[in-house]
Amino acid sequence: DAKTTQPPSMDCAEGRAANLPCNHSTISGNEYVYWYRQIHSQGPQYIIHGLKNNETNEMASLIITEDRKSSTLILPHATLRDTAVYYCIVRARLGGDKLIFGTGTRLQVFP
Amino acid sequence: DARVTQTPRHKVTEMGQEVTMRCQPILGHNTVFWYRQTMMQGLELLAYFRNRAPLDDSGMPKDRFSAEMPDATLATLKIQPSEPRDSAVYFCASGLSPDRRDTEAFFGQGTRLTVV
Repeated sequence: DAKTTQPPSMDCAEGRAANLPCNHSTISGNEYVYWYRQIHSQGPQYIIHGLKNNETNEMASLIITEDRKSSTLILPHATLRDTAVYYCIVRARLGGDKLIFGTGTRLQVFP
Repeated sequence: DARVTQTPRHKVTEMGQEVTMRCQPILGHNTVFWYRQTMMQGLELLAYFRNRAPLDDSGMPKDRFSAEMPDATLATLKIQPSEPRDSAVYFCASGLSPDRRDTEAFFGQGTRLTVV
């Protein structure tokens, strides 16, 4: 069972920031928030993960609320190549570390 | 450039035939996942292994599916006999155990299976 809720689709103009929300109200203390994306016909690609602090890497930023019940993935300058399905996943760090994918958010970046 | 390699990339077979899909995980990774993706069901976890031992295969139909890791460099997923409803893209992924800092899973390009 997916433990996250995401909007089914979003649009974003090229060059603008894409903010993808995720609700995970039942997250437990030992669970991380992971983000993956899947570009058409390819295998899912890891983006970023975090526990409670905000995280940033070369691909994106992850903002986790203080109560950890929701998070936002930020693509600071979306490009057409960022068009994909984005999956938010909660995953236990120790034991039971299965990656269970939900339905994700289909992000369409337009020119 | 380390990557997960899956073979074959495409497979068309007749109903009732045995199908074997192979996966070469990234060298040094000790966790291997098998997923199936269809339009209707999305990405479903079939099974996963740690240090070649199956940890969870509850997502796999036991009567016709089997997954093994003959050695650390090869994971296989077999379907016997295959049925049209098995038509899907099958993904393999590998990663490190969760007590390591870098725990992300890396996915292969998938095997697109069509059973006619």
